[in-house]
Amino acid sequence: EADIYQTPRYLVIGTGKKITLECSQTMGHDKMYWYQQDPGMELHLIHYSYGVNSTEKGDLSSESTVSRIRTEHFPLTLESARPSHTSQYLCASSEWGQVYNEQFFGPGTRLTVL
Amino acid sequence: RKEVEQDPGPFNVPEGATVAFNCTYSNSASQSFFWYRQDCRKEPKLLMSVYSSGNEDGRFTAQLNRASQYISLLIRDSKLSDSATYLCVVSQTGANNLFFGTGTRLTVIP
Repeated sequence: EADIYQTPRYLVIGTGKKITLECSQTMGHDKMYWYQQDPGMELHLIHYSYGVNSTEKGDLSSESTVSRIRTEHFPLTLESARPSHTSQYLCASSEWGQVYNEQFFGPGTRLTVL
Repeated sequence: RKEVEQDPGPFNVPEGATVAFNCTYSNSASQSFFWYRQDCRKEPKLLMSVYSSGNEDGRFTAQLNRASQYISLLIRDSKLSDSATYLCVVSQTGANNLFFGTGTRLTVIP
């Protein structure tokens, strides 16, 4: 089992609230990622990080922001949640420099914005 | 055009059946290929990497055809526990991004 954790697992919140989705891994991986997945749809990368103080936007535009102050921690923040942000958010991590970019996923946070 | 396209499914097969999933990718520079498995409302988990020469892991066989930009997954002697969505995943070596297909849902029926 991968040692990557996400909290909360489920979140129902009203429009306009600020939320932070937590992601932590204990594998010492340098690379971390955030994906968004709607039901029945493919995963889309919204943010990634190569290490501490490194953050980049992914292929899918997102109003969320991320930070990477510690290797093991990669939180995602929405300053003002809207119903269009309702989705599942999956955090993943991988080692640096592997030939094959195998990623390990956390259990996900299912976000519902009312 | 999508980076990765998969058989839409769903596949409903009896226990013991052999089932094959196909996947095509659009970027000829892609170097890394994987099959991930995702159970309902769970996170994706790596099932197997796909090597150029093809590879087998128990009842699972993965094959890669670079000329046709095509990947396949064969499951022999299907078990009830094989019921899941199978995701075809592609990336370029060292790249930050994995491109996921929408997945093919498999249901193995007793």
